[in-house]
Amino acid sequence: GQQVMQIPQYQHVQEGEDFTTYCNSSTTLSNIQWYKQRPGGHPVFLIQLVKSGEVKKQKRLTFQFGEAKKNSSLHITATQTTDVGTYFCAGIPKTSYDKVIFGPGTSLSVIP
Amino acid sequence: DAGVIQSPRHEVTEMGQEVTLRCKPISGHNSLFWYRQTMMRGLELLIYFNNNVPIDDSGMPEDRFSAKMPNASFSTLKIQPSEPRDSAVYFCASSPLASSYNEQFFGPGTRLTVL
Repeated sequence: GQQVMQIPQYQHVQEGEDFTTYCNSSTTLSNIQWYKQRPGGHPVFLIQLVKSGEVKKQKRLTFQFGEAKKNSSLHITATQTTDVGTYFCAGIPKTSYDKVIFGPGTSLSVIP
Repeated sequence: DAGVIQSPRHEVTEMGQEVTLRCKPISGHNSLFWYRQTMMRGLELLIYFNNNVPIDDSGMPEDRFSAKMPNASFSTLKIQPSEPRDSAVYFCASSPLASSYNEQFFGPGTRLTVL
């Protein structure tokens, strides 16, 4: 079946260090979304990428969609304690325009 | 805007009992999704509706689970009979168009514990 994978599963960083999570799909995607879930909270939408090779930035966060539209990455520069949480990518396969497939998430801990 | 509303926020029940989870999507949103989140299995899509019609229920674990959306402002997820392995956080999410090309707005979730 269609799968979306993320690595790493967990990441512990010292405050101020950079962080990257990678997302890979077993099939070509129409678009990809990223969500953040704080501990005890619910997923909150961050961004959507649609075009092949697209790069978007939100302050210290940089999102990238691969040329083949099968992978994506989220990079956080100079992490802060407010970045703590689980980051999910969610892909919409080209063959299934309505169904969103969430990755397992990367849990980020930031040590002050 | 109140956002997606879910009730109850916490539910503790005994094995064999019926459980009903409720969701009120954001007004004007056409799509509604039910998810289950556990440590072991992560975030799983159970079922989603477009314009009140169930589109894909392939994620529903078994016949003990059922979901309805009688109108655009209300949906229920029912488990009958409940089992301990159903313990999880259940999220409802809504999206503004009949497509997942737009962001999903998640509710606060219902934490279900089945003893």
